[in-house]
Amino acid sequence: GESVGLHLPTLSVQEGDNSIINCAYSNSASDYFIWYKQESGKGPQFIIDIRSNMDKRQGQRVTVLLNKTVKHLSLQIAATQPGDSAVYFCADVSNFGNEKLTFGTGTRLTIIP
Amino acid sequence: NAGVTQTPKFQVLKTGQSMTLQCAQDMNHNSMYWYRQDPGMGLRLIYYSASEGTTDKGEVPNGYNVSRLNKREFSLRLESAAPSQTSVYFCASQQGGGQGNEQFFGPGTRLTVL
Repeated sequence: GESVGLHLPTLSVQEGDNSIINCAYSNSASDYFIWYKQESGKGPQFIIDIRSNMDKRQGQRVTVLLNKTVKHLSLQIAATQPGDSAVYFCADVSNFGNEKLTFGTGTRLTIIP
Repeated sequence: NAGVTQTPKFQVLKTGQSMTLQCAQDMNHNSMYWYRQDPGMGLRLIYYSASEGTTDKGEVPNGYNVSRLNKREFSLRLESAAPSQTSVYFCASQQGGGQGNEQFFGPGTRLTVL
């Protein structure tokens, strides 16, 4: 079946540095990709999304890059803060009308003070 | 707006017992979803409802049933709980109808089956 996965399960970054979280996907038909942040004991929270016809999208302190050639997605967080410590998930939507998400396994980001 | 609410927050069941997890959203969303999250894994879709009156199976539907009671509420029922159903359950809602893919999640229900 189709899968969405992440390269590394954990990542530690010094406060103030930039972090990059990577994600690989296998479904060439994916229309849409989303990054979610999940803090301990809470439900996932939407961060940023990107359509498959784009290769970059920026938000507040976050940038998502999409490389469809190698089926790779990354989330860059600039000037990391302690509040950025969480598990980050990428998810894809293979059928825009279907609106079902397939989640990766997640990367735990730890910000070191 | 409360967003997506779930009850209960925690539950312990014995094998074979039944229970219903409740979910409600006040955002007038069309689509609602039930996921489970196991340690070290991402969220897996159990069932979803694209609109009031419709439900469909997700990736891991076995052992569960759902009811879309109305536009606001989407419940998940375990008829005969098994230890393999020990997990954290998340409900989510989405505007749907091709009007946006952001799913809003509830705080989760932590279920333990002994």
